[in-house]
Amino acid sequence: GNSVTQMEGPVTLSEEAFLTINCTYTATGYPSLFWYVQYPGEGLQLLLKATKADDKGSNKGFEATYRKETTSFHLEKGSVQVSDSAVYFCALSESLSNTGNQFYFGTGTSLTVIP
Amino acid sequence: DAGVTQSPTHLIKTRGQQVTLRCSPKSGHDTVSWYQQALGQGPQFIFQYYEEEERQRGNFPDRFSGHQFPNYSSELNVNALLLGDSALYLCASSLERARLLNEQFFGPGTRLTVL
Repeated sequence: GNSVTQMEGPVTLSEEAFLTINCTYTATGYPSLFWYVQYPGEGLQLLLKATKADDKGSNKGFEATYRKETTSFHLEKGSVQVSDSAVYFCALSESLSNTGNQFYFGTGTSLTVIP
Repeated sequence: DAGVTQSPTHLIKTRGQQVTLRCSPKSGHDTVSWYQQALGQGPQFIFQYYEEEERQRGNFPDRFSGHQFPNYSSELNVNALLLGDSALYLCASSLERARLLNEQFFGPGTRLTVL
């Protein structure tokens, strides 16, 4: 079946530090991969996505590359800011004919960036 | 352009009661999915509605039921509430004809507390 495994948090970094949050997945087919971000008290916001192997998703300085050979989709940012403090979720989805597209989420990684 | 809206924002119920949560999809979207996010966990897929029918269902008991209306809005009903049903309930909307994009837009959620 489909599943997503994320590195456990919480992660605490100083401002301008390099960020990596690991994500690996198991899928029966050819999923799309996503990173969502959740700020305190809010719903999920799409951060970036990649739809096929070797695609790189990027947004707001964050990047992640779809690696089929290692079934990974690690999130990276070169220089984090205090405003990046949030919970990050890795997710996958397969678009199946006639049955919709269910999302599978990891357990989330809490990031705190200190000045 | 209104995004996904959910009501109410917060709800407190007691064990054994029934609850109804509501969701209005993003303008133009016709598919609604519901997720349960327990504290400290990633969202878990409950079910998805399209054309007023439940199209796909996750591993949730029959106490969880839903409905989609002709205007694409949706309700999630939970009967015989248990303490373990306390969670953030997220609604996500998408557009069926764009399903291959695998994009879902999430609402802010309804925080349900069962006492």
